[in-house]
Amino acid sequence: QLQLQESGPGLVKPWETLSLTCTVSGASLNGGSYYWGWIRQPPGKGLEWIGSIYYTGSTSDKNPSLKSRVTMSVDKSKNQFSLQLTSVTAADTAVYYCGRPSPRGGSGWTYFDHWGQGALVTVSS
Amino acid sequence: EILLTQSPGTLSLSPGERATLSCRASQSVSSTYLAWYQQKPGQAPRLLIYGASSRATDIPDRFSGSGSGTDFTLTISRLESEDFAVYFCQYYGTPPPTFGLGTRVEIK
Repeated sequence: QLQLQESGPGLVKPWETLSLTCTVSGASLNGGSYYWGWIRQPPGKGLEWIGSIYYTGSTSDKNPSLKSRVTMSVDKSKNQFSLQLTSVTAADTAVYYCGRPSPRGGSGWTYFDHWGQGALVTVSS
Repeated sequence: EILLTQSPGTLSLSPGERATLSCRASQSVSSTYLAWYQQKPGQAPRLLIYGASSRATDIPDRFSGSGSGTDFTLTISRLESEDFAVYFCQYYGTPPPTFGLGTRVEIK
């Protein structure tokens, strides 16, 4: 059964870089032509799609509102994919979810059919 | 970017009652690209419906989705205790996908 787990620092200082890793178990990142992605949710608020990356790492799609600050990567040897968000401010405080865009959807911006449990990242000095 | 407006903000119902949740798009969209999620406190969202009306794996048939154009509906035919949660709709036809702000279904 596919499972995802986010990991990374829970506290990041303003203007520094937020880095999160998602470890995939129950499936190999090499095991299919899947996208892998990130969505965030500020406390008590709605959901915001950050972006998705193809399993080869060759293609990624990003939310235009975050595009200049987002980098995503894939490490197939560790069965992990990662998110970096630069120059963070308090507005980036959120629960960050990693997940899998459904292969049925056919794109990196489709609905997520599997989600990690989420990691709260607080931006504060 | 498609704006999704969900109503009502909060729905107060009793177990066994029918819940009808609305999601309105800012312009006409294809029903192929409309999803619904359920989220309970402290948990990740759970996919319920995709393609406006197709139930995801292991979702009970008391959950159903419908709609077209700008108006979409999630219906829970008879509320069970585990259904009290927040529900989000999502449009994923063009990037970036967008979400509504959610409807909270609470126990009356």
